[in-house]
Amino acid sequence: DGGITQSPKYLFRKEGQNVTLSCEQNLNHDAMYWYRQDPGQGLRLIYYSQIVNDFQKGDIAEGYSVSREKKESFPLTVTSAQKNPTAFYLCASSMAGGPRTDTQYFGPGTRLTVL
Amino acid sequence: GQQLNQSPQSMFIQEGEDVSMNCTSSSIFNTWLWYKQEPGEGPVLLIALYKAGELTSNGRLTAQFGITRKDSFLNISASIPSDVGIYFCAGLTSGTYKYIFGTGTRLKVLA
Repeated sequence: DGGITQSPKYLFRKEGQNVTLSCEQNLNHDAMYWYRQDPGQGLRLIYYSQIVNDFQKGDIAEGYSVSREKKESFPLTVTSAQKNPTAFYLCASSMAGGPRTDTQYFGPGTRLTVL
Repeated sequence: GQQLNQSPQSMFIQEGEDVSMNCTSSSIFNTWLWYKQEPGEGPVLLIALYKAGELTSNGRLTAQFGITRKDSFLNISASIPSDVGIYFCAGLTSGTYKYIFGTGTRLKVLA
């Protein structure tokens, strides 16, 4: 069954702690993304990766870090430097490069709450 | 970061009515995508468009890639209660990997 998995669905963290959100895809997509969504708001890009061992900052990268050691995996670490980490985090992947192939698919999301 | 202008921002409609929403950009795109998001879930891809003027349907949904390549439209015919959600557009310029998203249209259907 192909798709994108994110775990856990709900995550609670104490203020000052780092936390890592998991994202795995078996769609054989080259590109992967992390977005943040606040209540009633749209999607804001945190980081994206076009290829293994390479990634770029998005619009709101401060306080976050990523790694891309495998094509299938793109974990996001929310560090203690992120001032307002409570949000809904969405992982996505995309296939790109050929005619009629540019599509982006999303995982189910992880809701992070900082206590 | 850049966001696309999406309108209307929200809609309250009666069951059975048709719905129209649109997305506009100051930039030219080669790909337009339309998504639906329900509360607490990730966005689900509804329709993908790749050519100016293209008209594509998915059941009761029809989307069009604007001729100028700076806009796109989504229509929902004969709305039903399960159409409730937030609809997002997204655009992509060829050769890039960064999708630009619209601000979303919140749809509520009254039975």
